[in-house]
Amino acid sequence: GDSVTQMEGPVTLSEEAFLTINCTYTATGYPSLFWYVQYPGEGLQLLLKATKADDKGSNKGFEATYRKETTSFHLEKGSVQVSDSAVYFCALSDQPGNTPLVFGKGTRLSVIA
Amino acid sequence: DTGVSQDPRHKITKRGQNVTFRCDPISEHNRLYWYRQTLGQGPEFLTYFQNEAQLEKSRLLSDRFSAERPKGSFSTLEIQRTEQGDSAMYLCASRKGQGRGSPLHFGNGTRLTVT
Repeated sequence: GDSVTQMEGPVTLSEEAFLTINCTYTATGYPSLFWYVQYPGEGLQLLLKATKADDKGSNKGFEATYRKETTSFHLEKGSVQVSDSAVYFCALSDQPGNTPLVFGKGTRLSVIA
Repeated sequence: DTGVSQDPRHKITKRGQNVTFRCDPISEHNRLYWYRQTLGQGPEFLTYFQNEAQLEKSRLLSDRFSAERPKGSFSTLEIQRTEQGDSAMYLCASRKGQGRGSPLHFGNGTRLTVT
């Protein structure tokens, strides 16, 4: 079945450091890929998405490129802030229509000043 | 867009009791999903509705769990004879459109603690 594998956390970075959170996937079809973020005490929020190979999703300084050849969708940010501290989830949606999203286990990011 | 609303935010119950959670999706979204999230894990799919029809249920959804969406608007998730293993965050999400690029919009969840 479909699955998503994320790098294990927690990840601790100093403010303004470069961030990479790795995500690889297994899918039977041609999935759409998503990154969600969960701040403490809140639900998941969509951060960015990509629906086809070589697409780059971007939002709030975060970027991720859909790499079909390596089945990856790594999240990057050039300069993190304390406010970026949260849990980040990679997810995929395989078949069109009704299929629910499949999530990775999440990666906790802590940014220290 | 008022977002997805879930009630209550927190529920503490004793083992063996029944609990019911409510979800109000974004009004124009006809697809509604329930997920469960435990500590250190990503959300796990439980069940899904298109309008009032329950179209898919996960193996995680035991016979003690039942979900409804009677008028295709709000949904309820009931857990009967709760067990300590049911302690988790229960997330509701809704979605507009049927393309696989259509994202889910999540509520803030209901945290259930079974003592």
